[in-house]
Amino acid sequence: GDSVTQMEGPVTLSEEAFLTINCTYTATGYPSLFWYVQYPGEGLQLLLKATKADDKGSNKGFEATYRKETTSFHLEKGSVQVSDSAVYFCALSKTGANNLFFGTGTRLTVIP
Amino acid sequence: KAGVTQTPRYLIKTRGQQVTLSCSPISGHRSVSWYQQTPGQGLQFLFEYFSETQRNKGNFPGRFSGRQFSNSRSEMNVSTLELGDSALYLCASSPGEVSYEQYFGPGTRLTVT
Repeated sequence: GDSVTQMEGPVTLSEEAFLTINCTYTATGYPSLFWYVQYPGEGLQLLLKATKADDKGSNKGFEATYRKETTSFHLEKGSVQVSDSAVYFCALSKTGANNLFFGTGTRLTVIP
Repeated sequence: KAGVTQTPRYLIKTRGQQVTLSCSPISGHRSVSWYQQTPGQGLQFLFEYFSETQRNKGNFPGRFSGRQFSNSRSEMNVSTLELGDSALYLCASSPGEVSYEQYFGPGTRLTVT
């Protein structure tokens, strides 16, 4: 079945460090891929998305590229800030469907 | 535009009781999806409604049910509550029949004692 495998956390980084959170997926066809972020006590916010192979999603300094050959969608940011501390979820949706399959989430803590 | 709203935000129920959670989507959005979030199982899809019809359903027992009204507001119901139903229940809305973005509400925190 469809699934998302996400890098285990938690991840602790110093401010201005480089961030990578790995995400790979299993799905038939051509899913759309997403990164969502959840701040403490809040719901999920869409961070970025990519709907076809080789697309690069970007937002707020975060980037991820849809790599069909490696079935991956790794999240990167060149310089993290304390305000980036949150839980990050990789997700996919199948073509023609609105339901999302989520990874387990990666908790990021950025220390000053 | 107002975001997705969910009521109540917090709820405490006893085993065996039933509960109804409510979700109001963003104005103009016609698709509503529900998710359960627990520390052990993570985020799991419950069901999705579009124009009052359930289009997709996740792998949950029949105790979990939902519906959508003509104004796109949605409710989900859990009957015969079990301790394992304690979770954050998230609702998300999307503009159309197939959308690339879902907008999430803050969730309802259900505690079953």
